[in-house]
This record gives sequence, structure tokens and C-alpha cells, in this order.
Amino acid sequence: NAGVTQTPKFQVLKTGQSMTLQCAQDMNHEYMSWYRQDPGMGLRLIHYSVGAGITDQGEVPNGYNVSRSTTEDFPLRLLSAAPSQTSVYFCASSRGTSGAQETQYFGPGTRLLVL
Amino acid sequence: AQKITQTQPGMFVQEKEAVTLDCTYDTSDPSYGLFWYKQPSSGEMIFLIYQGSYDQQNATEGRYSLNFQKARKSANLVISASQLGDSAMYFCAMRERDSSYKLIFGSGTRLLVRP
Repeated sequence: NAGVTQTPKFQVLKTGQSMTLQCAQDMNHEYMSWYRQDPGMGLRLIHYSVGAGITDQGEVPNGYNVSRSTTEDFPLRLLSAAPSQTSVYFCASSRGTSGAQETQYFGPGTRLLVL
Repeated sequence: AQKITQTQPGMFVQEKEAVTLDCTYDTSDPSYGLFWYKQPSSGEMIFLIYQGSYDQQNATEGRYSLNFQKARKSANLVISASQLGDSAMYFCAMRERDSSYKLIFGSGTRLLVRP
């Protein structure tokens, strides 16, 4: 199993540009989520999904959209990039929501720089 | 009030010695999960260990153990026989099961293992 994969690894955008960060998992996990990590901080939840066709907002959702058409994929779209969105983005997945199944496994991250 | 507090921004440990990384948490939810993640300089988030709020025994995973003191709301990570490869940032995180899916992260502790 590849686990959780993310592309691209690194991206530079100009203010106002849009782009999609890709995330895929091959563990048949129901739950997927997107976090951002800013310098010197822990991660903050952007959006999450409890299954195909179901998404919800996290702590910092403004400026981002998500969709979940399949169990495997959970792309994150930046609608109009702003310098404040410069960050490292992590995708994560878990099998369930109780016991050890709630453990979230993270992808390698995407470093985004918005100029 | 912070939900997860890691009071040690940085720590040193001698190779082959044990080290304890502190984590206290704040929740009124009786059902929650506690997690430790390691983030090496390469940037990925690596899951280390999980403790459920109803688990009777402290969790162990190889050289990692979690000193769970529920009444004190602490979940300290103990790393035994430290190795040079243990040098990294360590994050404590919590998921409150009656709220959203999000993990709440502490600010992290940077551990440096000395040869």
C-alpha cells in the first residue's frame, strides 16, 4: 500500500491564481481531511469528509473548496490564492471514528508559496 | 484556553537514554482519543502512539509508551533508549469524539538527541 499520497510536493502561485492539491489513499479509509501547518504551529483542520459525497468545514475553511466523489480521492481547491495561504498542507485519512480506528495517517505534505 | 499544552519547546537527551515529553489537555468530553506524532526535518507527520480515554492500560508501541494520567489530564510520551533518528518535532493531539472530526494539536516539542 502506498498509504496517503499528495501531489504536488511543492507549488508556487501568484496572488489570485487557483489550483487543486491532490490527495489519494489506497487503504479504503472512510474518513479524509485536510490540514494546514503554519510555521511554529501545529496543524489546523480545513475541511473533512466522512465518506464519498459528504464533506464538512473544519476550523479554517475560508478560501478552500473540497469534494469527495470517490472513497480514494479528496482534492483541495484554492479558489483565489492569497499570501495568507502560504503554508504546508497535509491530507490525512482514518478507517473510523472510534478506538484505534480513529488514528489519522498523514500524507507527505504539499508546500505552497503564494507570492 | 488551550486544549493541548506542550510546555517544553525544546529538549535534549543523550543517545540511549530515556526521555519524557509532556502533554496536558483540556476537555469536558468524557470520550476522546489522544495521539502523538513525530515530524522529522523532512516534514512528514508520522503516527507514533494512540490512547483512548477509556483504555485501562497505558499504550505502548515499541520504544514508545504513553504515560496516561486521566485525572491529571496528562498524556506524556516516553521514548526509551533514544536514537539519533529520534531527533524531530513531536506533537501531541486530541480528538474529542462529540465534536467534529478534527485533531487538536499542541505547539510541539523539538527533541535533539546527542551522540
